[in-house]
Amino acid sequence: AQKITQTQPGMFVQEKEAVTLDCTYDTSDQSYGLFWYKQPSSGEMIFLIYQGSYDEQNATEGRYSLNFQKARKSANLVISASQLGDSAMYFCAMREGSGGYNKLIFGAGTRLAVHP
Amino acid sequence: DTEVTQTPKHLVMGMTNKKSLKCEQHMGHRAMYWYKQKAKKPPELMFVYSYEKLSINESVPSRFSPECPNSSLLNLHLHALQPEDSALYLCASSQDSRAGGTYEQYFGPGTRLTVT
Repeated sequence: AQKITQTQPGMFVQEKEAVTLDCTYDTSDQSYGLFWYKQPSSGEMIFLIYQGSYDEQNATEGRYSLNFQKARKSANLVISASQLGDSAMYFCAMREGSGGYNKLIFGAGTRLAVHP
Repeated sequence: DTEVTQTPKHLVMGMTNKKSLKCEQHMGHRAMYWYKQKAKKPPELMFVYSYEKLSINESVPSRFSPECPNSSLLNLHLHALQPEDSALYLCASSQDSRAGGTYEQYFGPGTRLTVT
C-alpha cells in the first residue's frame, strides 16, 4: 500500500530565510506522482508543485522547489525567501491510480510558522 | 481560471435535518471529488466522480449521498448526520488523466459543517 510520511509536525523559519519540509513515500509502483499543497487557516487547499516519478529534473515553481531523491523515496519541499504569508499547513501527497481520475494519499502535514 | 466554488461556506444543522452542499467548477475537468477533513488532520477522500459517474465510494455511510448532475456540478446531500460528522468538507476537481498533464486537483474553499 502507498504511504506518505511527514515527520515534522511543526516548523518555524525567519522571514526571508529558506526552509525545507520533509516528505518520504512508499510505493511499489514505477509510475507515480507527488504533490505539495498549502492550506492556510481559511481552509482552502492550494496546489503548489508536482513531481512525476520519471521527471529527471527537480520541479520548481517560483519560490517553491521540490528536492526529489528517488532512490531515497523522498520529495522534500524547499521554500526560498520565506514570507509571512507562507505560514500555513503543508501537505505532501501521492497520486494513486491510473484511471481517469487520481486518488490522493496525504501525509499528516507540517505546520509552518514564519516569524518576522 | 482555476476556481472551484463551494456553497455554503458555513452550515449548522441538527441531526434530523436534510441539507445539501454544492460544488461547481468551469475548468472542463471531468473528475470531481469530495473530501472530509477533521481539525489538524489531512483530508480524507469520500467520493470520486469520473465523467459524471461514481467511481469511488470510500465506504462512506449512507447518510452522505453524492450527486453529479452534470460535468460542472457536484452535490453532497446530508441527512440524519451525527455530531462526529462535523468537519470541513472540501470539493476538488482534476483533469482526466487520459488527457495528459499532471492531474493536480484544484480544491474549493470548503464548507465548515457543524452538526448539533
